[in-house]
Amino acid sequence: AQTVTQSQPEMSVQEAETVTLSCTYDTSENNYYLFWYKQPPSRQMILVIRQEAYKQQNATENRFSVNFQKAAKSFSLKISDSQLGDTAMYFCAFMKHYRTSYDKVIFGPGTSLSVIP
Amino acid sequence: EPEVTQTPSHQVTQMGQEVILRCVPISNHLYFYWYRQILGQKVEFLVSFYNNEISEKSEIFDDQFSVERPDGSNFTLKIRSTKLEDSAMYFCASSEGRGEVYEQYFGPGTRLTVT
Repeated sequence: AQTVTQSQPEMSVQEAETVTLSCTYDTSENNYYLFWYKQPPSRQMILVIRQEAYKQQNATENRFSVNFQKAAKSFSLKISDSQLGDTAMYFCAFMKHYRTSYDKVIFGPGTSLSVIP
Repeated sequence: EPEVTQTPSHQVTQMGQEVILRCVPISNHLYFYWYRQILGQKVEFLVSFYNNEISEKSEIFDDQFSVERPDGSNFTLKIRSTKLEDSAMYFCASSEGRGEVYEQYFGPGTRLTVT
């Protein structure tokens, strides 16, 4: 069974600084996707970034980038130039890659990030 | 931009009552899901649905739960006889199911409070 671990329950960062959120996962699969979801106080679940396991290049989306280390089963999220609106719970998530697409997403326990003015 | 919608945003019900949570997935999506998040805990998978039938369900999804796609747009989760421990945020999600893109897009959630 796949598991996702986030070892940092809470983190804080000064506005405009950079922060890195850690995530490790356990799987015997070779093909899979990894995601970071953001959940602000409104509790809406928002996709931040995704990474295909077969791609060596790390994904980036504006101020968000990942460090994907497949051999180490590590998938960290870096937020640059942190903004107050980045304050949220961040979930690392895993999904197996099938030819059909109906597999479930497995979430980690989350990291609560606070951006301090 | 298309989005998943859910109604109601907050539902309060008494223990033992039936509730139906409603979702409208993104229109060209083929796969539908329900997840739940008990306050302060992680998001857990409940059930996935494709081609008018359940694809997979978790051990949480017992006989008290059912899902339905009654028409071409709605996707519902019914809890037959609610328990206190059913209090949670329930998220609907959908995915396109074509090509190489498998992201699931989540709705804003329905907060269910069982008293």
